[in-house]
Amino acid sequence: EAGVAQSPRYKIIEKRQSVAFWCNPISGHATLYWYQQILGQGPKLLIQFQNNGVVDDSQLPKDRFSAERLKGVDSTLKIQPAKLEDSAVYLCASSLISGWPYNEQFFGPGTRLTVL
Amino acid sequence: QQQVKQSPQSLIVQKGGISIINCAYENTAFDYFPWYQQFPGKGPALLIAIRPDVSEKKEGRFTISFNKSAKQFSLHIMDSQPGDSATYFCAARLKKTGANNLFFGTGTRLTVIP
Repeated sequence: EAGVAQSPRYKIIEKRQSVAFWCNPISGHATLYWYQQILGQGPKLLIQFQNNGVVDDSQLPKDRFSAERLKGVDSTLKIQPAKLEDSAVYLCASSLISGWPYNEQFFGPGTRLTVL
Repeated sequence: QQQVKQSPQSLIVQKGGISIINCAYENTAFDYFPWYQQFPGKGPALLIAIRPDVSEKKEGRFTISFNKSAKQFSLHIMDSQPGDSATYFCAARLKKTGANNLFFGTGTRLTVIP
């Protein structure tokens, strides 16, 4: 079974530029998550989708971050404009559904963003 | 505010030894406590998880001990192997209708010396 795919794997941009990340979840997984993992810290949830609807985006900095999952499969996360503090690994994860009982979240390899 | 506090930050253990990583939380609305293992350049992968109505769960060499009254839980790795060298994250899920919000600890970098 193919895992969660993410691209690009690495991205270097200058501050105030825009950047977009792409994620393709495991086939059949209705729930998709985007996490931000700053160096030396644990992942922090940015947004959770159930199919193409947003379930939780309470920790998404909406002034510069946006995400969409138009057809309920692939998703893109965008940062515009980027700040130095956005340098992190952006992880995408998917699960069959959310809620109880716990459904395991499968993580992709992440996109390492460096903002100069 | 860090919802889940994890210690130690790093840990060095001899092959065959026991590795112990501790986590603590305050929010009683957490209803599930997974541990993730992350190798360099890879995403985290679920290792083992426990519900708060259970005090211990064992899977092979990995054991979670859970103390609900103290709001603490720990991961024990028995007979640690060099292949166990990775970063370990504890996490807690916030019980919220329809959501699956995991709060992660800051991670423990485990090094197992041959």
